[in-house]
Amino acid sequence: AQSVTQLDSQVPVFEEAPVELRCNYSSSVSVYLFWYVQYPNQGLQLLLKYLSGSTLVESINGFEAEFNKSQTSFHLRKPSVHISDTAEYFCAVRDTSGTYKYIFGTGTRLKVLA
Amino acid sequence: DGGITQSPKYLFRKEGQNVTLSCEQNLNHDAMYWYRQDPGQGLRLIYYSQIVNDFQKGDIAEGYSVSREKKESFPLTVTSAQKNPTAFYLCASSQQGFNQPQHFGDGTRLSIL
Repeated sequence: AQSVTQLDSQVPVFEEAPVELRCNYSSSVSVYLFWYVQYPNQGLQLLLKYLSGSTLVESINGFEAEFNKSQTSFHLRKPSVHISDTAEYFCAVRDTSGTYKYIFGTGTRLKVLA
Repeated sequence: DGGITQSPKYLFRKEGQNVTLSCEQNLNHDAMYWYRQDPGQGLRLIYYSQIVNDFQKGDIAEGYSVSREKKESFPLTVTSAQKNPTAFYLCASSQQGFNQPQHFGDGTRLSIL
């Protein structure tokens, strides 16, 4: 069965410092991977996605994630965070086995400190 | 602008009462989903629908019911059988295809009076 693990429930980091939010998944078939961001009392917004091709994918606001098939990981990184990046981040996976479900991790709360 | 509209934003339920959460989308998406979000537990799937007049139970369907009479609409009813309904409820939709991301509404927060 598919599963997604986000080991860090909370990550505090100072403004302009780099950050990495970890995501590991388990699946026996090919997968599609997504990162979503959620601001307080709002829905989830798609940040970036890995479908195929280059293993490094980027978002328009400076985040990037690298798909590592051998380590079954899809970690999210940003070289320099801003206060406005404070939010909860969810990793999600969908495999090609036939189910229409998306499997979400439990989320990582990023808190950027001034 | 296309998107997903959930209403109301806040909802209160009395003991023994059924309440219905609305979800409407104008993205022309075939698939729609309902999730429940509790602190520290991520998103848990309640029901999903791939096409009009068809829907499947998710991981925590007990105490909930849905209908899908129109492509644009996927209302969720929280019945009195759901003993712990206090949570943030999110509706999502997607195009068909395994590589399609989900689009989310802004959620409904349900509380017990």
